[in-house]
Amino acid sequence: EDKVVQSPLSLVVHEGDTVTLNCSYEVTNFRSLLWYKQEKKAPTFLFMLTSSGIEKKSGRLSSILDKKELFSILNITATQTGDSAIYLCAVDGTGTASKLTFGTGTRLQVTL
Amino acid sequence: DAGVTQSPTHLIKTRGQQVTLRCSPKSGHDTVSWYQQALGQGPQFIFQYYEEEERQRGNFPDRFSGHQFPNYSSELNVNALLLGDSALYLCASSFLDRDNSPLHFGNGTRLTVT
Repeated sequence: EDKVVQSPLSLVVHEGDTVTLNCSYEVTNFRSLLWYKQEKKAPTFLFMLTSSGIEKKSGRLSSILDKKELFSILNITATQTGDSAIYLCAVDGTGTASKLTFGTGTRLQVTL
Repeated sequence: DAGVTQSPTHLIKTRGQQVTLRCSPKSGHDTVSWYQQALGQGPQFIFQYYEEEERQRGNFPDRFSGHQFPNYSSELNVNALLLGDSALYLCASSFLDRDNSPLHFGNGTRLTVT
């Protein structure tokens, strides 16, 4: 059974700090790893990673995958209060990107 | 560009009742998946529909069933509701046959079973 473990479970930082969120996984037939941000209801897509060592970047957010060690990190620099959310990591083990296995998420709170 | 839309937003039902949740996929998407998200947990895959057929299924009992219509919209039905079915039900859509097509989620239906 595919498994995703995220750490830490929750995190409180001050605005301007840099944070690193961790995601480790076990999957029989890895196809991709995805990061989502969930603020109230709908998870919104951040990144899809398929290859090791290639950093994906979007503004202050970046992510990288290590397929040998089976983990990914999500970095957020110069955090803002609007970054407060639950960050979900998921793996696709089927290739259809529809049947994702999610971790429990990291709850990030950014304070002034 | 219309994203994934779900209805209703909230629902309260009694144990033993039946419920139907509805979803319209993002414009152009042909595949719909349903997820259950219990409080404090990540979403759990229920099933996927493509070309009006259930293509993949997660570890959910037969009380959970679905349907996809020719316009790609979908319904999730849950029979004989249990207290443990209380959760946020998320619908997601994507393109089945397009590489690197991530899931786009709707805002979900919050189901409370009393």
